[in-house]
Amino acid sequence: SQKIEQNSEALNIQEGKTATLTCNYTNYSPAYLQWYRQDPGRGPVFLLLIRENEKEKRKERLKVTFDTTLKQSLFHITASQPADSATYLCALDGGDKIIFGKGTRLHILP
Amino acid sequence: KAGVTQTPRYLIKTRGQQVTLSCSPISGHRSVSWYQQTPGQGLQFLFEYFSETQRNKGNFPGRFSGRQFSNSRSEMNVSTLELGDSALYLCASSSASNYGYTFGSGTRLTVV
Repeated sequence: SQKIEQNSEALNIQEGKTATLTCNYTNYSPAYLQWYRQDPGRGPVFLLLIRENEKEKRKERLKVTFDTTLKQSLFHITASQPADSATYLCALDGGDKIIFGKGTRLHILP
Repeated sequence: KAGVTQTPRYLIKTRGQQVTLSCSPISGHRSVSWYQQTPGQGLQFLFEYFSETQRNKGNFPGRFSGRQFSNSRSEMNVSTLELGDSALYLCASSSASNYGYTFGSGTRLTVV
């Protein structure tokens, strides 16, 4: 069955450093991979989408890579700030449905 | 531009009752998806509607149903509520799958 895993439930990073989150998947061939941010009590907020034929995408301090051979995506936040603390979800979109990982809680320590 | 609006924000029901949740998508978005979010299972896909037709369905029992109206507003219904149905129910709309989804703030359902 299709499976999507995010590397850890929680991650602590010192302010100013780069935070790297991992998303691995099996038994799926997504057309797109998406990353969302979710704050407590709120719905997820769309951050970035990367297509299967793209290797990397950037948006301000965010960078996403997508390796369809390794079946893995990496999500980087450079120059991290305490305001970046949140849960980050990856989602795979195969066109017929979208499945989400359980998320990684990122804590940026001042 | 108004975001995705979900009502009500909070709801408390007793076991065996039924509940209807509402979602108004972003104007112009024809696709509406519903998700159940719990601490243990994360975000679980319920169903997706597009132009009033159910396009995809997740692995939930038949007690969970939905519909979409001609103005793209959507409702989901849960009948014969169980304690395990307590969750945050999220609605998301999209103009196309390759542009990401916009989520509402959700309805927090508590079944007692």
